Amino acid sequence: EVQLVESGGGLVQPGGSLRLSCAASGFTFRDYWMHWVRQAPGKGLVWVSRIYSDGSNTIYADSVKGRFTISRDNARDTLYLQMNSLRVEDTAVYYCVRDSSYAPDQWGQGTLVTVSS
Amino acid sequence: QSALTQPASVSGSPGQSITISCTGTSSDVGSYNRVSWYQQHPGKAPKFIIYEGTKRPSGVSNRFSGSKSGNTASLTISGLQAEDEADYYCCSYTTSGTWVFGGGTKLTVL
Repeated sequence: EVQLVESGGGLVQPGGSLRLSCAASGFTFRDYWMHWVRQAPGKGLVWVSRIYSDGSNTIYADSVKGRFTISRDNARDTLYLQMNSLRVEDTAVYYCVRDSSYAPDQWGQGTLVTVSS
Repeated sequence: QSALTQPASVSGSPGQSITISCTGTSSDVGSYNRVSWYQQHPGKAPKFIIYEGTKRPSGVSNRFSGSKSGNTASLTISGLQAEDEADYYCCSYTTSGTWVFGGGTKLTVL
């Protein structure tokens, strides 16, 4: 069974940093592209970033470009999202999502990031 | 990257069919056959229900079907059931190499 378990969320002040992790199991992690998708409270899904299976290529939504960094450790089956210069509008549940090569398919349960003073 | 356009809400009675539209542009929905749909119940993670516009992942009910014409994709749910009440989101790959979601549609089963 595919499992994606996010961690690292919490309360942080504006301008602060946070690193999210996503532990993957139940599939060959190194073979898949991965995404981060977020959802502000009561709002819709917003794509954040994608990384190739070997980590060689990354891409970001304009809203987080230059502030967020996606990375992965295939030896540890773990995906990361380093978030710097956080803003109030970054408050959201952050989901780790596997890409099936057709589309983002398997989702974690999400971790809540709250940016507030 | 502007969100794809979906109706905010749709409703239907048990047993009926409903269709949710998802309108994009020639830079996303219109360019690729890579539209996917997701179902999200309150407090839960989204569930993958349609990919490549028309295909169902294993285990997804055949009451869910997808289509696409030009810059607009659609999700149809036939034989509505109470458990279909949820939020539905479309998603498309874009010519910029990114992905974009629709704003979401709340389905109410009357």
